[in-house]
Amino acid sequence: QKEVEQDPGPLSVPEGAIVSLNCTYSNSAFQYFMWYRQYSRKGPELLMYTYSSGNKEDGRFTAQVDKSSKYISLFIRDSQPSDSATYLCASRYNNNDMRFGAGTRLTVKP
Amino acid sequence: EAGVTQSPTHLIKTRGQQATLRCSPISGHTSVYWYQQALGLGLQFLLWYDEGEERNRGNFPPRFSGRQFPNYSSELNVNALELEDSALYLCASSTPGGFYGYTFGSGTRLTVV
Repeated sequence: QKEVEQDPGPLSVPEGAIVSLNCTYSNSAFQYFMWYRQYSRKGPELLMYTYSSGNKEDGRFTAQVDKSSKYISLFIRDSQPSDSATYLCASRYNNNDMRFGAGTRLTVKP
Repeated sequence: EAGVTQSPTHLIKTRGQQATLRCSPISGHTSVYWYQQALGLGLQFLLWYDEGEERNRGNFPPRFSGRQFPNYSSELNVNALELEDSALYLCASSTPGGFYGYTFGSGTRLTVV
């Protein structure tokens, strides 16, 4: 079993839609949770960072962590074509490397 | 501020050869991480270096090795290349502990023929 599971998609939505991206993880020791965005032929860039459970909002993006169910979510409101990318969830515990999901490829159509 | 830089951008090698990939972290970052991103498999953790020491290693054979230099730059060596080693190799750096996420380079695309 992979430590972080993510549906690879692909996911295609019309411009303006609300996008929901989800991951599950298996290691209850994970404390830090991140979402990365990766454009084609580029390295991943950090989008959202949360510690433990709860919500975090940044503009059109909301990250949600539910540690009781080991569930990580990213919501994108008013999606734009420029949001088209692969989104990777990641989890880590204290002082160790990060474990990534497989990534979900998102296309937002104008 | 310069980001994480990786070289070369592309590398083509023949099966059985050795490949050397290089990474320069962001100034002030002491930790360097290497990941393999093969098509459809996501990011697979390879190696983590901090302060010149190997801190952790992923589930890869010993022919994948590396080191970190006193200036915190790092290199990844892959010996006895196999066709399935073809992938994008990403380097990331972070401050000690990496609690605020990693900054990635754009990667080295390794093709083994």
